Amino acid sequence: TQLLEQSPQFLSIQEGENLTVYCNSSSVFSSLQWYRQEPGEGPVLLVTVVTGGEVKKLKRLTFQFGDARKDSSLHITAAQPGDTGLYLCAGGDSGGSNYKLTFGKGTLLTVNP
Amino acid sequence: NAGVTQTPKFRILKIGQSMTLQCTQDMNHNYMYWYRQDPGMGLKLIYYSVGAGITDKGEVPNGYNVSRSTTEDFPLRLELAAPSQTSVYFCASSSLGQGGYGYTFGSGTRLTVV
Repeated sequence: TQLLEQSPQFLSIQEGENLTVYCNSSSVFSSLQWYRQEPGEGPVLLVTVVTGGEVKKLKRLTFQFGDARKDSSLHITAAQPGDTGLYLCAGGDSGGSNYKLTFGKGTLLTVNP
Repeated sequence: NAGVTQTPKFRILKIGQSMTLQCTQDMNHNYMYWYRQDPGMGLKLIYYSVGAGITDKGEVPNGYNVSRSTTEDFPLRLELAAPSQTSVYFCASSSLGQGGYGYTFGSGTRLTVV
């Protein structure tokens, strides 16, 4: 069973601060995805990274996939209240069933005005 | 596009009752999934399907059943509701795109069993 550990579990910061959340595993994944979930809604896909060492940017969000494809990070620059939500990482199975995702438990981010 | 549509949004069941959670997608995705989300526990895979007529168990299938008679629909059946099935249920779909299988989720069904 592949497991993903996310840290921190909770993060409360002020508007304008920078932050990084982490997603770690002892397993290799075929891909790593990040989702954001708002209260009462389903998760929404932010990005997919597939190559070890890959870095993707989405406005103020920077995503990195570890060289060994076992970990990932999400960095937010100058956080805004609209960034508030539950951030979930999900790894694609490295075997033949890469359409199946394993989800971490999430990081609950609160950005205070 | 509607994406993934789940009904109902909320439901309260009594112990032992049965119900079906509906899920429909209009993106012609081959892959569909049912997850449950409990506080602090992340998303757990209940059942999944790789195409019409094909279903398989996920991590926590006990107490649930599914069917996939069409590409669009993937209902989840609870036969004898138990308090342990109180949760938020999400249906999702995916297809192989650039970079892998990004999931599209529905907005969820909040189920309480009393």
